[in-house]
Parts: sequence; structure tokens; C-alpha cells
Amino acid sequence: DAGVIQSPRHEVTEMGQEVTLRCKPISGHDYLFWYRQTMMRGLELLIYFNNNVPIDDSGMPEDRFSAKMPNASFSTLKIQPSEPRDSAVYFCAITGLAGAEQYFGPGTRLTVT
Amino acid sequence: KNQVEQSPQSLIILEGKNCTLQCNYTVSPFSNLRWYKQDTGRGPVSLTIMTFSENTKSNGRYTATLDADTKQSSLHITASQLSDSASYICVVSVYGGSQGNLIFGKGTKLSVKP
Repeated sequence: DAGVIQSPRHEVTEMGQEVTLRCKPISGHDYLFWYRQTMMRGLELLIYFNNNVPIDDSGMPEDRFSAKMPNASFSTLKIQPSEPRDSAVYFCAITGLAGAEQYFGPGTRLTVT
Repeated sequence: KNQVEQSPQSLIILEGKNCTLQCNYTVSPFSNLRWYKQDTGRGPVSLTIMTFSENTKSNGRYTATLDADTKQSSLHITASQLSDSASYICVVSVYGGSQGNLIFGKGTKLSVKP
């Protein structure tokens, strides 16, 4: 988990509510990734940024999902409105160089009831 | 279709024993293959990264092998410890693809019992 802080660690919300997940990379990086992990589908890439610019958001499941990276030290993933099928663990990951290994945060476990 | 298949889905072994986890892939063109360890409630942590020209790479008691011809990789754990209990995820990178072009396996859940 070194290098990436995610908050909250756990989030329980009701269907229809807005959810905002936060990622704060500590160390230097060029790329930031958002992943979703479920038992059925494993890890799935949602979106990634290069130097704060969104490069590929083809993994974002629906328009209900949006992500921003206003600066190199902060990124958010927002779900509005949330649905029970959004329940998963959401990870933020960073890498410094193209093709280099990724460093994952501890994840946010989201439960939508 | 680019896919990564891991086996077994889960595995239980006794402390001190060795084990081998398998990863088969159909990713093309191939760039590199990574093994990650994910402890419960934590994010994945990289164990090894192997390129096309590398057949084996070790990280302590973990040894990964790669056969690019048969598109198979294995992760061998020697003298297992209780702390090895985790999920192990195989990830293959597509050559020339974007930074997001990683194909993930669903992982093997390993339980090491005393």
C-alpha cells in the first residue's frame, strides 16, 4: 500500500445516493489508475490518467461513474446514483514509468444496499 | 480474445510444503507477465515481472517461470509459511497497448494451514 492513500476504507450507502471515493498518491508518479474488484469478475480497469489527464475511460461501466484528477496528488471516483451492483472494492494504483509495476492503495470497500 | 486463466481457483496446503500455481494466457501480442500477491483486505503487491526473453525470475521463496511458446506461466512457492496465505493474481500486458491494457486473471486463493 506504500505510496497511495485511499479514503474512506469502507463505505455503506443506500441505493440512489452519491458516493465519492478518494485517492491521494504520496510518491511521484506519471500514471494513476482506478480499478474495481469483485469475486465474479476479478480486477477490472475503470479509467487511467497520465499527468492528470484522463487517457482511457472505456472501462467506466456507465455514465453514473465519473473520475477526476485536479492535480498530481488527488483523484476522485464518483458514482451518482449508486446501485447495489456497484458493490465492490475499488482500488487506486500508480506507476512512475510506462510499463513499470503498479503500486496499489489499500482499496475502498463499497456496499450499496 | 485476450484472456488469462488461472488454476487452481483455490488451494489448501500445510505449512512448510511447496506449491505451484498456474497461469495460461491467450494475450497477443505479449509484452510482459506479472504475478501479484494480494493479502485479505489489502491491495495487490507485485512479486515478479517477466518479459518475453525471461524464463524464470525469483523473489525470495517465490519463483516464477514463463514459457512464451506455450503461453504458460507458473508461480512456485517453496517452504510455505502462514503469511503466504493470500490470493495470487497473474496479469499479462499487451505489447504496444496503452498503459491500461493489462489482462487480469481472477486469481488463485492459497490457504496455508499450520
